[in-house]
Amino acid sequence: RKEVEQDPGPFNVPEGATVAFNCTYSNSASQSFFWYRQDCRKEPKLLMSVYSSGNEDGRFTAQLNRASQYISLLIRDSKLSDSATYLCVVVSEGGFKTIFGAGTRLFVKA
Amino acid sequence: GAVVSQHPSWVICKSGTSVKIECRSLDFQATTMFWYRQFPKQSLMLMATSNEGSKATYEQGVEKDKFLINHASLTLSTLTVTSAHPEDSSFYICSARDLRTFQETQYFGPGTRLLVL
Repeated sequence: RKEVEQDPGPFNVPEGATVAFNCTYSNSASQSFFWYRQDCRKEPKLLMSVYSSGNEDGRFTAQLNRASQYISLLIRDSKLSDSATYLCVVVSEGGFKTIFGAGTRLFVKA
Repeated sequence: GAVVSQHPSWVICKSGTSVKIECRSLDFQATTMFWYRQFPKQSLMLMATSNEGSKATYEQGVEKDKFLINHASLTLSTLTVTSAHPEDSSFYICSARDLRTFQETQYFGPGTRLLVL
């Protein structure tokens, strides 16, 4: 089993749709969680951190469920510019180990 | 946010050539830098982790004599691909973080595209 697993997609959604991505991790001692966004042929960029209390930034909401070892990202009112690969990232071992998920591809169409 | 630069952004070289890629943290001190490789339509693959002033830790399957990493200062790490071959053609990305600040966010450089002919 991979340490961080994501649905590879692709997710094809129309503009304005709400889309949710899921991510599971295997190390129960993991301490920090992030969502990154990677555009085609570009480097990953931090989208947002993920907290147990939830984290909302505009149209984006991230949630962490430690009991289920599950992270989610919700995008509301999708825009064409949201098309990208979304990477789930899990940090453990006192911050010394960072694991990236394989990413979920999103295509938002007009 | 923190800025990480990479140089060069593009390299085209002949087989057998050694290529050096630089990764710099511009506005923070990076105690730890990571080197990744990404093939087309595939996920990021961690190659090695380097801490300032010490030897890099390589992931399984990555040849340390092939991919030389030097992290001599808190703002600079270099990756040298020695005797590059066409199969080394890839997108190489570095990232950096400052463990002393307890910030666990990694900041990525823009990447270097290597094409070995």
